[in-house]
Amino acid sequence: AQSVTQPDIHITVSEGASLELRCNYSYGATPYLFWYVQSPGQGLQLLLKYFSGDTLVQGIKGFEAEFKRSQSSFNLRKPSVHWSDAAEYFCAVVIMDTGRRALTFGSGTRLQVQP
Amino acid sequence: GAVVSQHPSWVICKSGTSVKIECRSLDFQATTMFWYRQFPKQSLMLMATSNEGSKATYEQGVEKDKFLINHASLTLSTLTVTSAHPEDSSFYICSAPGQVLKREQFFGPGTRLTVL
Repeated sequence: AQSVTQPDIHITVSEGASLELRCNYSYGATPYLFWYVQSPGQGLQLLLKYFSGDTLVQGIKGFEAEFKRSQSSFNLRKPSVHWSDAAEYFCAVVIMDTGRRALTFGSGTRLQVQP
Repeated sequence: GAVVSQHPSWVICKSGTSVKIECRSLDFQATTMFWYRQFPKQSLMLMATSNEGSKATYEQGVEKDKFLINHASLTLSTLTVTSAHPEDSSFYICSAPGQVLKREQFFGPGTRLTVL
């Protein structure tokens, strides 16, 4: 079965510091990879996605992610975190070679930003 | 981008009653919709896939008779939690896929269900 792992349950960074959230998937097939953010009381917002091509993808709000096939990873990064970035972040995957279109989500990483 | 709405956004009900949650695609048609459940401080877990004109497909461990899904039209799917109990309290989120090649998903804002 497909799985997505987010090793860090909770991360705290200072405002202005850089951020990296880890995501690993376990598949042999090529995945479609996504990062979503969920703020308290709000729905999921897509930050960025990777399908193919350039392995470094740019998203909204200054986020970027890099797909590394050799490491089965799709880590999310931001050079300078803002207080408004505090939220829950989910990595998700859809496997291209299956007919399944539903997303499989990682367990999420809660980001706290210190002033 | 495409918009998916859910109604109600939150609901409180007594144990033993049934609750219906609506998921609508506002500006596009969706022959398939997905229903997820999210417990506090946990991830989203797929409950079922709703298919217009046919029966829903449920994930393993999800009770079909408890979580009734009806995909009435190309823009509406409903999830009815029957005989709700406190353990059904959760955040229910629906999504609809966009273009096949893009593997997009458009999420509703979610419905917070609290069963007393």
